[in-house]
Amino acid sequence: DAGVTQSPTHLIKTRGQQVTLRCSPKSGHDTVSWYQQALGQGPQFIFQYYEEEERQRGNFPDRFSGHQFPNYSSELNVNALLLGDSALYLCASRDGPGAPLHFGNGTRLTVT
Amino acid sequence: SQELEQSPQSLIVQEGKNLTINCTSSKTLYGLYWYKQKYGEGLIFLMMLQKGGEEKSHEKITAKLDEKKQQSSLHITASQPSHAGIYLCGADSGGYQKVTFGTGTKLQVIP
Repeated sequence: DAGVTQSPTHLIKTRGQQVTLRCSPKSGHDTVSWYQQALGQGPQFIFQYYEEEERQRGNFPDRFSGHQFPNYSSELNVNALLLGDSALYLCASRDGPGAPLHFGNGTRLTVT
Repeated sequence: SQELEQSPQSLIVQEGKNLTINCTSSKTLYGLYWYKQKYGEGLIFLMMLQKGGEEKSHEKITAKLDEKKQQSSLHITASQPSHAGIYLCGADSGGYQKVTFGTGTKLQVIP
């Protein structure tokens, strides 16, 4: 039973570019959340997707957008990259409210 | 919005020593999760606590939830180098239950 998988594992982009990160949730999980983790900080909630809709959003600008597909996989898009967007981006899935989140190993994004 | 404060921020202990990490919430705790993270990797789920006074153990790690104090503690007995990493507490924030995380406690265990 595969857990949460994310791709790519590492990415280097230039300021102003756009990036797409991908996530496949754990089998049977229908809710996907995305987090940004800066060095030395705890994960910060970006948004949560359920039934292909953004259900809840954290304090992130509109440059951060996402999508969930019918198979529950998800994408995180970031436009007009800034140096401050450099971080570990984590995807997590769960099979319902109150269930623990299961995390992927993340995508390390470096913006130069 | 809910905030979680963890203490201490970092901890260095000798192998075999016991230690405790605390997590205090600014709001009522509905569900509290403990995770462990190796540097640059994803979070590994350790335990979930849902009721005041609840206590759970896994191997040498015990977690407790004090609902009245809006606080949880994670206790490691007879620490080992394999316990090294970053420990994070997370809490459901109500509504659609996004999980908010603390800033983490970095644990080093010296052999």
